[in-house]
Amino acid sequence: EIVMTQSPATLSVSPGDRATLSCRASQSVSSNLAWYQQKPGQAPRLLISGASTRATGIPARFSGSGSGTEFTLTISSLQSEDFAVYYCQQYNNWPPLTFGGGTKVEIK
Amino acid sequence: QVHLVESGGGVVQPGTSLRLSCAVSGYSFRTYGMHWVRQTPGKGLEWVAGMWYDESNESYADSVKGRFTISRDNSKNTLYLQMSSLRVEDTAIYYCARDVAPAAIGSFDYWGQGTLVTVSS
Repeated sequence: EIVMTQSPATLSVSPGDRATLSCRASQSVSSNLAWYQQKPGQAPRLLISGASTRATGIPARFSGSGSGTEFTLTISSLQSEDFAVYYCQQYNNWPPLTFGGGTKVEIK
Repeated sequence: QVHLVESGGGVVQPGTSLRLSCAVSGYSFRTYGMHWVRQTPGKGLEWVAGMWYDESNESYADSVKGRFTISRDNSKNTLYLQMSSLRVEDTAIYYCARDVAPAAIGSFDYWGQGTLVTVSS
């Protein structure tokens, strides 16, 4: 099973600032990596797939990078609606599909 | 507009069974793979099971293998999860999610709102 590790667990950021979230895989997942955003009481929403391809309707301030075992989600200028929990997920080698533990982006 | 609506959750005792449903609308259900993903309240996400568009392939997490069965009825645009021998640790919100591809690639572009399953004596 591929273990996904996200850091930090919590990120305190001021509105308008840049946020950088990290995700590490226990073995290479190539570029088969997705990022999801989840707000309280809501289902997750796909942001990024293929490590760097934004899903339909996702603003350009969200960008993904990386391949192999190290990945980054960057939010260039945080808006109020971006404060949420973010999960990475690998789909290179499954079953099982595996998620990271999440990074909570909170208002500083 | 794509909609996925789960139903069938509730409070059940350990060892019993429950069937979840996911009614889909807004796209051609038979052309996409589907999955079930669960989330323990306040915790992270755990993939449970997935199935290809044509039922030719299905996969399960080890934690549910042999107890849960995923199925779909393409004529009714509905995905199912039959859960048996339920355990306290199966307590979670269960989401159905659409795969981005027919032969499930394993990323999810649409999710339902979830249905809560509570297993408690």
